[in-house]
Amino acid sequence: QKEVEQNSGPLSVPEGAIASLNCTYSDRGSQSFFWYRQYSGKSPELIMFIYSNGDKEDGRFTAQLNKASQYVSLLIRDSQPSDSATYLCAVQMEYGNKLVFGAGTILRVKS
Amino acid sequence: GAVVSQHPSRVICKSGTSVKIECRSLDFQATTMFWYRQFPKQSLMLMATSNEGSKATYEQGVEKDKFLINHASLTLSTLTVTSAHPEDSSFYICSARSSGVSFSHIQYFGAGTRLSVL
Repeated sequence: QKEVEQNSGPLSVPEGAIASLNCTYSDRGSQSFFWYRQYSGKSPELIMFIYSNGDKEDGRFTAQLNKASQYVSLLIRDSQPSDSATYLCAVQMEYGNKLVFGAGTILRVKS
Repeated sequence: GAVVSQHPSRVICKSGTSVKIECRSLDFQATTMFWYRQFPKQSLMLMATSNEGSKATYEQGVEKDKFLINHASLTLSTLTVTSAHPEDSSFYICSARSSGVSFSHIQYFGAGTRLSVL
């Protein structure tokens, strides 16, 4: 079993819709959870992090964490073509320690 | 946000040569930097964790004699790919986390170095 699992996609959504990206992790001791966006040929850029159960909102983005079910999700409201990218879920077991990345989900927003 | 500079952005070299990649934290001190490798259509795989003033910690399967890491200061870590071969061609990305108290769990990524070994 992979430590961090994501559906590879591609996930296609129309412009203006809500895109929902999901991630599950295997280690119950994981502390912090991150969502990165990676455009083709570029390095990852941080979108959000979350470490408490529940929702965390930042603009059009909402991260949701459920430690009991060991999943974390990212919602993108009012999706734009510029949101088309690969979204990487990363899990950190100890505060400040290394990140374990999922394989990423390709998101395509169609105009 | 914190800025991490990585240089060079692209390297093309002959097989057998060594290549050095620099990673600098520009506006914060980083006691810990991380080196990742990403092959096409795959996710980032951690190669090693670089700690200022001490030896790097390598992940299983990563040859420490081939991928030399030096973290000589709080703002600079270098990765040297020694005797590079075509199978070392990849996208190498560094990240750094602040040594400060706030947000020290966040890793900021450099722009990456695309290495092509002929």
